[in-house]
This record gives sequence, C-alpha cells and structure tokens, in this order.
Amino acid sequence: QQQVKQSPQSLIVQKGGISIINCAYENTAFDYFPWYQQFPGKGPALLIAIRPDVSEKKEGRFTISFNKSAKQFSLHIMDSQPGDSATYFCAARNFNKFYFGSGTKLNVKP
Amino acid sequence: NAGVMQNPRHLVRRRGQEARLRCSPMKGHSHVYWYRQLPEEGLKFMVYLQKENIIDESGMPKERFSAEFPKEGPSILRIQQVVRGDSAAYFCASSPSELSSYNEQFFGPGTRLTVL
Repeated sequence: QQQVKQSPQSLIVQKGGISIINCAYENTAFDYFPWYQQFPGKGPALLIAIRPDVSEKKEGRFTISFNKSAKQFSLHIMDSQPGDSATYFCAARNFNKFYFGSGTKLNVKP
Repeated sequence: NAGVMQNPRHLVRRRGQEARLRCSPMKGHSHVYWYRQLPEEGLKFMVYLQKENIIDESGMPKERFSAEFPKEGPSILRIQQVVRGDSAAYFCASSPSELSSYNEQFFGPGTRLTVL
C-alpha cells in the first residue's frame, strides 16, 4: 500500500515557467512533509519542508502549498531553470520513518 | 565537514554471493537509516539504527538481509545470497538524534548494486 501518491510521473516545462508537482496522503499521523531533489547518481537532498500547521512555505523560487483537510500538498517551482532538471520526491514522516512518493522527473527546456 | 559517505559506490555481485554496503554517518550523527530505491521508484525505508541498536527494521526483508551499526566503525547493510531482484540503489541517511521537526536526515550518494 503506497502511503504517499505523487503526480505527475514526468514533467516538461519551458525555462521561466512554473513547475507544479502534487502529492496526496492518507495517514493523518504524518507530521512533517519534506521535498527532496535528486540528480542522477546522487542521493536525495532536502529542498524544502513544511509542517501541517502551516498552509504555505516559500523559500526563494520554491513554494510548498499544504491542504490539511484534503490531505494534499504540492511543490511549485517558479521561474523554472534548466538547472532545476532533476527528480523530485515528496515525503511524509511518521515518528522516525519517512514514506516517499514515487518521484517526478522534471525536465526544464531552455 | 564531510557528509554521509557510502562505499562502494557501485557493486556487482553474481547470484548467490554476499553484498556488504557501508555507511559512515556525518560527524556527530548517531542515527542511521537505510533505504532502497528501485529504478523509477521512490525510496523505501528498510531499517533505522542507533549505535549498537536496531530501532526499527520493519522495512527490511526477514531473510537474507541484516544491518548493524557498531560502537566503532560504519554501519553495514549485509545481503546474503543475492538475487537479481536485489539490484537497486541503496541509500544511507544519518541524523544527529531522533528525527523531529527540528532536525533532518542527510543522505549519502548511495551504493548501486547490480546482481548478475
């Protein structure tokens, strides 16, 4: 049973456009929702994270929107750049365990 | 300030052999987590260890897989009698203490295991 569902699987965006990746969860015990960025051959790196008592968090060009009642959260990348091309994973934490989405491969075309 | 280190980065084994994956956590970190990533999939939790203790191994297959984090030295993920389905990237992460909203886990570069 997949605890965190992520979409789309892949995304192509023009340079300067907005990239949007969505995640949904079922377990209301989750208390922390990070997004990770992974480049080929590398480990995931924390990009931005949010707690469920906040509806939005912004760091530079990256914004998380969180809808607790709908049990959904999304990552918005504004002014997308070719250097943002990577795989993005959402995750949700319960105690010491993280549950990851299946990933979104983002390709930002110049 | 070195990050999480994993070795080897690439490991090729034939079916039936043993694979040993090593993880050295960041300096000052005493908590280690192992994840497995199959191609085109997200990471799946395997095991959580503190020094000399296994805290949660609920994600680890009951047979052939074992993990340890001794008082001295790296954490080891051991896979005995490997099969083709074990081919994956194995990531280690570490944190300074129990995960909370105030600390995060940091990932190593992974070990890519290929079973022939």
